[in-house]
Amino acid sequence: AQKVTQAQTEISVVEKEDVTLDCVYETRDTTYYLFWYKQPPSGELVFLIRRNSFDEQNEISGRYSWNFQKSTSSFNFTITASQVVDSAVYFCALSESWNTGNQFYFGTGTSLTVIP
Amino acid sequence: EAGVTQFPSHSVIEKGQTVTLRCDPISGHDNLYWYRRVMGKEIKFLLHFVKESKQDESGMPNNRFLAERTGGTYSTLKVQPAELEDSGVYFCASSRELLGAANTEAFFGQGTRLTVV
Repeated sequence: AQKVTQAQTEISVVEKEDVTLDCVYETRDTTYYLFWYKQPPSGELVFLIRRNSFDEQNEISGRYSWNFQKSTSSFNFTITASQVVDSAVYFCALSESWNTGNQFYFGTGTSLTVIP
Repeated sequence: EAGVTQFPSHSVIEKGQTVTLRCDPISGHDNLYWYRRVMGKEIKFLLHFVKESKQDESGMPNNRFLAERTGGTYSTLKVQPAELEDSGVYFCASSRELLGAANTEAFFGQGTRLTVV
């Protein structure tokens, strides 16, 4: 079963629109970590945020904000006033504390295109 | 500080050939990970090194894949013989601490796009 689900495969928005990327996760662990990574056209995965399971505070960083809700097992990512440079593939990931391998479980990614 | 570097960036090989991918982690990062993304699917874990030791290789698909990290520095991932289904993007990542440690961040390379024809 998929541990991280990103239901939106592709999203297109016009510049300056707000866009929310959905992420739903599944885990039996009580301590876990959630991440968002951005993959621009250059290919590398760029870290955006890490959130611990015991910290449900939402976070804002510039035009980026994250909404973590344990009740719905979701960790959604919103870009406000999108820009062309935001065009990329965005991955949500989960890491579980019991997992001695310390691996990420990634979603399938959401490809965001911001149209000028 | 240099990031995680992967070589080559692209590789096209014929079925049955051998390919070796290389990853240079960030200096001082004991933890090194290999991941793979098959077209359109999620990025999947292959294995995790702590220094030169394989901590977890549960994600390695089969014995055609061999990963090494001699001396605990760079790592190589060899596919021999390559099959069509091995095509995908292979990512390497490194971290100073384990992912569960406070404020730990894993840094990824740009990936190696492998195409087996």
